[in-house]
Amino acid sequence: GENVEQHPSTLSVQEGDSAVIKCTYSDSASNYFPWYKQELGKGPQLIIDIRSNVGEKKDQRIAVTLNKTAKHFSLHITETQPEDSAVYFCAASKSFQKLVFGTGTRLLVSP
Amino acid sequence: DGGITQSPKYLFRKEGQNVTLSCEQNLNHDAMYWYRQDPGQGLRLIYYSQIVNDFQKGDIAEGYSVSREKKESFPLTVTSAQKNPTAFYLCASSFQGAGANVLTFGAGSRLTVL
Repeated sequence: GENVEQHPSTLSVQEGDSAVIKCTYSDSASNYFPWYKQELGKGPQLIIDIRSNVGEKKDQRIAVTLNKTAKHFSLHITETQPEDSAVYFCAASKSFQKLVFGTGTRLLVSP
Repeated sequence: DGGITQSPKYLFRKEGQNVTLSCEQNLNHDAMYWYRQDPGQGLRLIYYSQIVNDFQKGDIAEGYSVSREKKESFPLTVTSAQKNPTAFYLCASSFQGAGANVLTFGAGSRLTVL
C-alpha cells in the first residue's frame, strides 16, 4: 500500500521568511496530493491540493510542487506570518481511494 | 452552515469503561471516517463507511466499534479492549466517487483515560 513520509517534523522560521515542507510517496499510481493545516485544538483543514497532471499550483502565499518522477511533493509558504503557525499534513491517494497521511510538520513562525 | 459536529470535545474515562464519541454531518456527504491522532504519528484511520449500514476497518480498528444507521451520523465506541485509548479523535466526511479523497474534518474529541 501507499506510504507517505514527511519532513521535517518541526520547522521554526522568522516572520517574513519562507518555509518548505517535503513529502515523498511510494505508490507511483497515486494522483492526488492535498495539504491540510491543523491549528491548535482544531481539526485539519484543506489548504491546497494538486493532481498529478500538473507540476505546480499556487494560491496567494502558498504553493505546492509535484515531481512525479522522484515521487515527492512540497508545500511552499512565502512571507510567513505568525498565523501560519500550525501543524501541516501532506497526504496522497489514488482516484476513488482513501487518503494516506504523512506524520505532520509543526511550523512555528516567530515575530 | 454546513459542517461536521463532534461531541464531546473533551472526555475522561476510567479504565474498563466503554465510551462513545458522536459525529454528525450536514454536508450530505456519503462517506464518513474516524481517525486517531497521536503526537508524531499523523492521522491513522480507524474505521470508515461509504454508505449507510456498511462500514470497513481501517488500519487500527482493534478495540473500536462503529455504526452507520443514518447518513448524517457515524458514532465511534472506544471499548475497554483498546489498550491505549488516550488520543485525539477526528471524524471526517467526503462525497463518494471522484470526491472521495477530499475530506472535511470535525474539530475533534480528546479522550483521556484516567
